[in-house]
Amino acid sequence: AQTVTQSQPEMSVQEAETVTLSCTYDTSESDYYLFWYKQPPSRQMILVIRQEAYKQQNATENRFSVNFQKAAKSFSLKISDSQLGDAAMYFCAYTGTASKLTFGTGTRLQVTL
Amino acid sequence: GAVVSQHPSRVICKSGTSVKIECRSLDFQATTMFWYRQFPKQSLMLMATSNEGSKATYEQGVEKDKFLINHASLTLSTLTVTSAHPEDSSFYICSARDPSGAGNEQFFGPGTRLTVL
Repeated sequence: AQTVTQSQPEMSVQEAETVTLSCTYDTSESDYYLFWYKQPPSRQMILVIRQEAYKQQNATENRFSVNFQKAAKSFSLKISDSQLGDAAMYFCAYTGTASKLTFGTGTRLQVTL
Repeated sequence: GAVVSQHPSRVICKSGTSVKIECRSLDFQATTMFWYRQFPKQSLMLMATSNEGSKATYEQGVEKDKFLINHASLTLSTLTVTSAHPEDSSFYICSARDPSGAGNEQFFGPGTRLTVL
């Protein structure tokens, strides 16, 4: 079975600074997708960024980028120029051939002035 | 992105009653929908996968007779919590996969907070 591990229950970053959230996963599949989802206090799940395993190039979406290390099964999220609106729970997630998502335990990100 | 709605957003019911939660894909047809449960300050736990026109697939440990799932059309899946008890109180979230979209992405509804008194 696939597992997703987020080892940082909480992180804090100052506004305008950069923060990196860690995620590791375990799978025997070769074809899969990885995601970072954001869950603000409203609890609406919002897709932040997606990475296809077959792509070597790291995905980027504006201030958000990932460091995808397939051999190490690592998928970290870097948030640049952090904003107050980035404060939320962040979940790393995996999906493979079964099409269902496996989530990590989440990292609560606090953004301070 | 695609939009998924959920209704109701909040429901309070008495112990022993049944509650139905609806999940709709508004601008795409979803052959597969998913139901999750989320306890406070915890991650999402997949309860079941709902497939249009067929029986739902439940995750291990989820009582299928307690949590009835029906996916009667390509845009609607329902979760019925039967004979609800206080321990069923939780936040329930649905998601839908757009088969025409890229990357196996799931689009999430806003969730339903169920409180059983």
